[in-house]
Amino acid sequence: NAGVTQTPKFRILKIGQSMTLQCAQDMNHNYMYWYRQDPGMGLKLIYYSVGAGITDKGEVPNGYNVSRSTTEDFPLRLELAAPSQTSVYFCASSYSWGRNYGYTFGSGTRLTVV
Amino acid sequence: KQEVTQIPAALSVPEGENLVLNCSFTDSAIYNLQWFRQDPGKGLTSLLLIQSSQREQTSGRLNASLDKSSGRSTLYIAASQPGDSATYLCAVTLSGAGSYQLTFGKGTKLSVIP
Repeated sequence: NAGVTQTPKFRILKIGQSMTLQCAQDMNHNYMYWYRQDPGMGLKLIYYSVGAGITDKGEVPNGYNVSRSTTEDFPLRLELAAPSQTSVYFCASSYSWGRNYGYTFGSGTRLTVV
Repeated sequence: KQEVTQIPAALSVPEGENLVLNCSFTDSAIYNLQWFRQDPGKGLTSLLLIQSSQREQTSGRLNASLDKSSGRSTLYIAASQPGDSATYLCAVTLSGAGSYQLTFGKGTKLSVIP
């Protein structure tokens, strides 16, 4: 089925380790996003991209990096993992932005930093 | 800064009952409002997208309304079923250049009792 695919689904990291969360979409969407969801809180935007080669910070970008070399892929890099990065991470995409365009979300990556 | 509030935080109803979930937002300058469903350990599934110029949207047993001027939206679920048990999130997209992010509420956790 077409959609947004995230890998891995679960991961445990030790403090100071690094990892990359993978996100791929096959809907030819231009816009892609990374959100994190902490327990009892709303989702918060980490980074977003409006097309290949173009990325920008969202509300909570510290401790993360992104790249967008293709339309399909938007990986999120965690450097020097900290317990505060324990969260569920969601990747999303949309064809465009504005009145008519909704978002499609992946199933999430549950990350624990110990 | 846009803030989205969902009331109640949790709701338990007997099967067959009609119910209403509420969402309010502080900045009425939005492009659209989207209702999502989130099942435990799963991603977000888009239910309804209401453009800022629309008053309501319907999909099956779901009806979402939007009153942009008062900053309110409701999600009406008719004849609730145990399969409707999930967390329901509303999110708005602010209008204006460069405002790409969805701002989410914390959700309403719905339990439908057989």
